[in-house]
Amino acid sequence: GEDVEQSLFLSVREGDSSVINCTYTDSSSTYLYWYKQEPGAGLQLLTYIFSNMDMKQDQRLTVLLNKKDKHLSLRIADTQTGDSAIYFCAEGTGRRALTFGSGTRLQVQP
Amino acid sequence: NAGVMQNPRHLVRRRGQEARLRCSPMKGHSHVYWYRQLPEEGLKFMVYLQKENIIDESGMPKERFSAEFPKEGPSILRIQQVVRGDSAAYFCASSPRAQETQYFGPGTRLLVL
Repeated sequence: GEDVEQSLFLSVREGDSSVINCTYTDSSSTYLYWYKQEPGAGLQLLTYIFSNMDMKQDQRLTVLLNKKDKHLSLRIADTQTGDSAIYFCAEGTGRRALTFGSGTRLQVQP
Repeated sequence: NAGVMQNPRHLVRRRGQEARLRCSPMKGHSHVYWYRQLPEEGLKFMVYLQKENIIDESGMPKERFSAEFPKEGPSILRIQQVVRGDSAAYFCASSPRAQETQYFGPGTRLLVL
């Protein structure tokens, strides 16, 4: 079945760039998403990329998609302490339901 | 435009009791999805509903769990005879049409004692 994998933990210093990686298995994925979850909160949609795109930039966020390798990354420039959270990669196809990774916990040290 | 609303935010039940979780989608959204998040894990799809219809319940446990989305009112996820393993965060998402971006509610955190 479909699978989405992420590394569990990333620690960076404030002001540095963060890169969170994700791999997926479903080659028919139409959209790939990044969601942010703060402690005790719901999921906030950060950005998404359509499968026929290679890159999408939105302010401090850059999403890169390598469809051949089924690899997705989220780069956060100038990481701030407020960026500390769990980041989920998710893929969606015509099946409608999203398949989520287990999340990457980003810790930003001052 | 209010986002997806879920209530209650926290729910405590004893083993064997029933849990009812409610979800009001964003205005103009007629598609609702329920996901479950176990501690330290990602979200797992449970069920997808459109007004008065269950479209996909492939992620729903076969027993004790049911969902509905009536013509009027919120979507309800019902768990009968809860067990400790049901303790989790239950998230609802909505979208205006099928296959469009899903927006999530704040979740209901269920604790079964």
